[in-house]
Amino acid sequence: GAGVSQSPSNKVTEKGKDVELRCDPISGHTALYWYRQSLGQGLEFLIYFQGNSAPDKSGLPSDRFSAERTGGSVSTLTIQRTQQEDSAVYLCASSLLNLGGNTIYFGEGSWLTVV
Amino acid sequence: GNSVTQMEGPVTLSEEAFLTINCTYTATGYPSLFWYVQYPGEGLQLLLKATKADDKGSNKGFEATYRKETTSFHLEKGSVQVSDSAVYFCALSEGDSSYKLIFGSGTRLLVRP
Repeated sequence: GAGVSQSPSNKVTEKGKDVELRCDPISGHTALYWYRQSLGQGLEFLIYFQGNSAPDKSGLPSDRFSAERTGGSVSTLTIQRTQQEDSAVYLCASSLLNLGGNTIYFGEGSWLTVV
Repeated sequence: GNSVTQMEGPVTLSEEAFLTINCTYTATGYPSLFWYVQYPGEGLQLLLKATKADDKGSNKGFEATYRKETTSFHLEKGSVQVSDSAVYFCALSEGDSSYKLIFGSGTRLLVRP
């Protein structure tokens, strides 16, 4: 597609359940990022994928969070045993190579509500 | 560590008013600076950027100048429109080698007719 596509756009889940959020980056973009936007706060870096290199997972808030990127394209962010504090908008972004000099394009986000 | 601080909102202006949204940063090295905008119901979009000191980024009538001496990157527009109502985020990255954007907390702008 023309832009970064994320699904679902909205997800309401019960505390303790697992959720999967999907990101389809712009075709040809080798760099993929996940960020989290909590209510009233700025965006928080979660994880970064670049080609076949090992991902930078330093922003993942706990071991309940994991992400994978299959075939260098689509990525899935998984949150296990969700907690209410996980409620946020999860944003995926992609760019050519890394950030330097290249614009990063964001998807519209997946709004997660844990009840 | 690196950080971005921007003025709290909401900022409410009348149409055609002058806009300033303050942004200051703390960083080691030589960061690139960005303004992103999030319109209602849409994803984040890059508004403008500057990659070195004294550079001026501009787009859609918005401008911001990279001021190393004051570690600032204030966003300005001479005459705002209702369609500029959105949330504006200031961000930095640590130059060409960094892939992490560090964002401020965002400033909501509301422009009234």
